[in-house]
Amino acid sequence: DGGITQSPKYLFRKEGQNVTLSCEQNLNHDAMYWYRQDPGQGLRLIYYSQIVNDFQKGDIAEGYSVSREKKESFPLTVTSAQKNPTAFYLCASSVTSGGSTDTQYFGPGTRLTVL
Amino acid sequence: AQSVTQLDSQVPVFEEAPVELRCNYSSSVSVYLFWYVQYPNQGLQLLLKYLSGSTLVKGINGFEAEFNKSQTSFHLRKPSVHISDTAEYFCAVSGDDMRFGAGTRLTVKP
Repeated sequence: DGGITQSPKYLFRKEGQNVTLSCEQNLNHDAMYWYRQDPGQGLRLIYYSQIVNDFQKGDIAEGYSVSREKKESFPLTVTSAQKNPTAFYLCASSVTSGGSTDTQYFGPGTRLTVL
Repeated sequence: AQSVTQLDSQVPVFEEAPVELRCNYSSSVSVYLFWYVQYPNQGLQLLLKYLSGSTLVKGINGFEAEFNKSQTSFHLRKPSVHISDTAEYFCAVSGDDMRFGAGTRLTVKP
């Protein structure tokens, strides 16, 4: 059963702590993405990776870090430098078609709350 | 780079009524266009997409959208909505990268 999994579903963090959100896909997609979603603001791109061992910053990368050591995995670390990390985080993967991104397939999301 | 504007942040409608959710885009290159649906505390699910060919695209759950290049629009329509259609809907455009609109909250009332 192919798809994208994210864990945990809910995550609580104390201020000053780093936390890592997991994202795994078995769709054999080359590209993977991390988005942040806040109420009324749609999705904002944090980081994306089009190939293993390579990734690029999105629009709001400050305070976040990623790695792409395996095609299937794209974990996101929310560092203590992120000033307002409470949000809903979505991971996605896709194929590309003619140079443009085709359908993105999304995981169920992780809701991060800073206490 | 491309951008997307969803013209309505909230759309309330009665059950069995028709609905249109509006989306305009801007881009200097050829684009792919998408509509996604999001139910509370879940990820996004693809409703339909336009890559090329026929400008009228049919998707899941009885939704359809029409690509209008001259008006740079990709409005989503359904002739008769159901309570279960209550959700957040996102328009997206893919060119150099993928850009999402701010979303339209569709609320279907009995």
